[in-house]
Amino acid sequence: KAGVTQTPRYLIKTRGQQVTLSCSPISGHRSVSWYQQTPGQGLQFLFEYFSETQRNKGNFPGRFSGRQFSNSRSEMNVSTLELGDSALYLCASSSGRMNTEAFFGQGTRLTVV
Amino acid sequence: GQQLNQSPQSMFIQEGEDVSMNCTSSSIFNTWLWYKQDPGEGPVLLIALYKAGELTSNGRLTAQFGTTRKDSFLNISASIPSDVGIYFCAGQRWGETSGSRLTFGEGTQLTVNP
Repeated sequence: KAGVTQTPRYLIKTRGQQVTLSCSPISGHRSVSWYQQTPGQGLQFLFEYFSETQRNKGNFPGRFSGRQFSNSRSEMNVSTLELGDSALYLCASSSGRMNTEAFFGQGTRLTVV
Repeated sequence: GQQLNQSPQSMFIQEGEDVSMNCTSSSIFNTWLWYKQDPGEGPVLLIALYKAGELTSNGRLTAQFGTTRKDSFLNISASIPSDVGIYFCAGQRWGETSGSRLTFGEGTQLTVNP
């Protein structure tokens, strides 16, 4: 059974640009959550998509957005990049039901210069 | 955002020693998860706990879900060099609006000296 796949693994972008990250969950999982990890703030929840609908959203500005497709793959987009957006972006795959595990991908390392 | 209080922040131990770390929260969670993360990689799930008081083992790892549902601990017995990494606790308060959202502790950096 394939794990959670995130692409790309590494990205370097310039301030003001936008970026799209992709996450393919474990087969059969309908929930994809996104997290931002930085040394200063730790792991922070961005949002969760379940059955193509955003079910929950963290405390991030509107520049951060996402979507989920009918095959459960998810993308997150960050517009007008700022230096502070440099981070490891992780997606977590789960069934979306109560009391189930969440499995993470390897992450996308975004560097904004 | 809300974080769980995880301690200690770092540990330096000798190979073969036992390790204990814990997480506490002011809020109740109905699921506790423990993860290990290596540099530049995503967190890997170690143990999942679903019931208050539950004690679960995975090889040399043992974790417990606190009876108040506000805390959890992880023990590693007979540590080995490959145990090096950052260990995170995560709590989930599942609900129709909170969904699968996880709240994470700050992490415990474990160093094992051979």
